[in-house]
Amino acid sequence: EAQVTQNPRYLITVTGKKLTVTCSQNMNHEYMSWYRQDPGLGLRQIYYSMNVEVTDKGDVPEGYKVSRKEKRNFPLILESPSPNQTSLYFCASSLGLVGYEQYFGPGTRLTVT
Amino acid sequence: QQPVQSPQAVILREGEDAVINCSSSKALYSVHWYRQKHGEAPVFLMILLKGGEQKGHEKISASFNEKKQQSSLYLTASQLSYSGTYFCGTEKNNDMRFGAGTRLTVKP
Repeated sequence: EAQVTQNPRYLITVTGKKLTVTCSQNMNHEYMSWYRQDPGLGLRQIYYSMNVEVTDKGDVPEGYKVSRKEKRNFPLILESPSPNQTSLYFCASSLGLVGYEQYFGPGTRLTVT
Repeated sequence: QQPVQSPQAVILREGEDAVINCSSSKALYSVHWYRQKHGEAPVFLMILLKGGEQKGHEKISASFNEKKQQSSLYLTASQLSYSGTYFCGTEKNNDMRFGAGTRLTVKP
């Protein structure tokens, strides 16, 4: 089954404790991205990747890191999480960007206390 | 900048029609539309490309006015299953910007 998976689905952590949210897709997609969703603000792009070893900042990259060492995986790293990073995070993938639908993962709800 | 969606929320009775608008201050190459039900991931509805090409579900219709940098999503004869939050997304320079969403509620 074609899908995007994220782990964990729920995470409660404390300020400053490094964490990684994994994202994996099995559709051989070139383009992958991370979004955060906050009430009233919709989906905001954090980082995106056009292909392996090619990543770039989206709209709200501060406090986040990503890597794309393999085509299927695109982990999101929070080196020193803060409470303002409490949010719902979605990973998405697509064949490309222009003109291609994005497939979203199920989401990761992160709470930083 | 994020595209601007209107209205922010709309309530319909089954069978009624609705239009959701999306506008951008920048020239658009394409517009994406997604629907998100509560607690779920966004799901693709339609892409409208510069030049008139469209890809999407047969029962959904939309327009894309490149000159005005606007797109509209048309929901006709609404069903209960149409309820959810609708997002438009615009792409340029490889990044994607989504609007804040329009919450649609369809009541029996």
